[in-house]
Amino acid sequence: DTAVSQTPKYLVTQMGNDKSIKCEQNLGHDTMYWYKQDSKKFLKIMFSYNNKELIINETVPNRFSPKSPDKAHLNLHINSLELGDSAVYFCASSRGQDYNEQFFGPGTRLTVL
Amino acid sequence: DAKTTQPNSMESNEEEPVHLPCNHSTISGTDYIHWYRQLPSQGPEYVIHGLTSNVNNRMASLAIAEDRKSSTLILHRATLRDAAVYYCILRDPGVSGGSYIPTFGRGTSLIVHP
Repeated sequence: DTAVSQTPKYLVTQMGNDKSIKCEQNLGHDTMYWYKQDSKKFLKIMFSYNNKELIINETVPNRFSPKSPDKAHLNLHINSLELGDSAVYFCASSRGQDYNEQFFGPGTRLTVL
Repeated sequence: DAKTTQPNSMESNEEEPVHLPCNHSTISGTDYIHWYRQLPSQGPEYVIHGLTSNVNNRMASLAIAEDRKSSTLILHRATLRDAAVYYCILRDPGVSGGSYIPTFGRGTSLIVHP
């Protein structure tokens, strides 16, 4: 049973395109996150949603728009992709906002050409 | 921002204990100390967390200094599967209405020799 799943695992696209990454968790958690891990392996939080409500938005460009249709899903839509968006994107979830244990997905490697 | 300092890398032999240090001299009184690890090509995985007292679980032990300015993650018997990047993280009250924002640093890359 996969706790946090992401699709696709790999995404290769051209500059200027719009793409989406989907995330689902089957843990019954209230809080979900998106992280970006760049080529230097720094892992930085982008967004956090609690009960479908945005609670953290860490100075991410407006081209990135998260959407949470329900508590189990947090999708990431990226408009007008740029070279600098190339990274591995991780979705995660936790029982609540209080951030004890987070469960991470396997990651989506995005390559922008 | 409460930050952590960890060695870039450490090496160990299989079956031996490993002590991974973390300095967090600017830790606040309410910050929890969390450890995560990231195996190659995988997402981070929770290892352990603590506040003041030492903690044990099935994966590791966490030893916290009395002044809380440092901590050590202890793997009692390293296996090849423990080769990963280990992150020491403090909860960081951020700009978004007081929600906690986990801040991952570079971490320590643990190499385990057979």
